[in-house]
Amino acid sequence: DAKTTQPNSMESNEEEPVHLPCNHSTISGTDYIHWYRQLPSQGPEYVIHGLTSNVNNRMASLAIAEDRKSSTLILHRATLRDAAVYYCILRDPPGGSGNTGKLIFGQGTTLQVKP
Amino acid sequence: GAGVSQSPRYKVAKRGQDVALRCDPISGHVSLFWYQQALGQGPEFLTYFQNEAQLDKSGLPSDRFFAERPEGSVSTLKIQRTQQEDSAVYLCASSSGLSGNTIYFGEGSWLTVV
Repeated sequence: DAKTTQPNSMESNEEEPVHLPCNHSTISGTDYIHWYRQLPSQGPEYVIHGLTSNVNNRMASLAIAEDRKSSTLILHRATLRDAAVYYCILRDPPGGSGNTGKLIFGQGTTLQVKP
Repeated sequence: GAGVSQSPRYKVAKRGQDVALRCDPISGHVSLFWYQQALGQGPEFLTYFQNEAQLDKSGLPSDRFFAERPEGSVSTLKIQRTQQEDSAVYLCASSSGLSGNTIYFGEGSWLTVV
């Protein structure tokens, strides 16, 4: 499984934008880039995913480099509730060649948001 | 319910005791995953079901770990003769199985072996 590299921790001030980087130099052509986050004492929750183009949803934006070897999760206005561990994951979609589509988590980035 | 439901939420087991952890996936979800998360670590994959078929059990750490999903909905993760190193949060997740779909996680079952 292709690996991702993320900083161990980052800090942000409340109501400021946050850019969480992720390197994935060994990404394959079929890998989607997924971001999940895990709040304290909860299971991981889906944030956003993309393949080649930048993506926006109500939670965040995902900026994907042209060569797809890196990406950045953007929280436009961090709130205290955004304090969590953010995981960047490469996922081969389920179906082809018996692939299960399972998520392989790394250590993630622990985001602290200061009031 | 609307989400993935796991029970019990908390379990304290004496070393050597058998435990069973239950997962109710989102209704209609074909795919079901079990993960183990040790304190301060990311979740680690244990096993995967497509309906009632266990297609991937490559992450199960030993033959003391057993999972089943007999009717393709509810799943049970069983740990026999628990040991202290089994203390972790056990997360269940489900998805519709379609390409590009979202995987939804439960809140986990917190197991402490004493």
